[in-house]
Amino acid sequence: DAGVTQSPTHLIKTRGQQVTLRCSPKSGHDTVSWYQQALGQGPQFIFQYYEEEERQRGNFPDRFSGHQFPNYSSELNVNALLLGDSALYLCASSSLAGGLYTGELFFGEGSRLTVL
Amino acid sequence: DAKTTQPPSMDCAEGRAANLPCNHSTISGNEYVYWYRQIHSQGPQYIIHGLKNNETNEMASLIITEDRKSSTLILPHATLRDTAVYYCIVRVAGANNLFFGTGTRLTVIP
Repeated sequence: DAGVTQSPTHLIKTRGQQVTLRCSPKSGHDTVSWYQQALGQGPQFIFQYYEEEERQRGNFPDRFSGHQFPNYSSELNVNALLLGDSALYLCASSSLAGGLYTGELFFGEGSRLTVL
Repeated sequence: DAKTTQPPSMDCAEGRAANLPCNHSTISGNEYVYWYRQIHSQGPQYIIHGLKNNETNEMASLIITEDRKSSTLILPHATLRDTAVYYCIVRVAGANNLFFGTGTRLTVIP
């Protein structure tokens, strides 16, 4: 059973460019959340997708957007990249059962973005 | 979500028990205590969670004080592979997002 998979693992962009990161959730999971982890910091919640809609959002600007597909996979898009967007971007999946999230979040290995 | 306070770093000798403390003095009655760890260059990994009773699984034990204002994660026999950053998180029942602090960097020494 594959866990959470993310791609690409590493990428380098320049300021002003746009980036798309991808995530496939763990089998049986229907909810995907994205986190940003700057160097030396804990992960920070960006947003969460369920049933192809954004359900919750953290304190991130509109330059950060996402999408969830019918197969539950998800994309994170960041426009107009800034140097401060350099970070490890983590995807986490979980399952919504009876309206309450059950069990733990499963995280992928992350996509490390460097903005030059 | 309630805030947690953890020491920034700890050392533990290999084979000994590692006891990682966490303060969560403003925890609410419907908030669980969760522990995750992050080994270098990997995504966070779930360890254990509890509400008010002590919990044990194959990885660790979680001891929560009676007033629920603090807890301790215990790794009974630390190995070098337990070297990681350990995050203590309080989470409202049913909430899906986690609020991470900066955690405790545990170094297991041979």
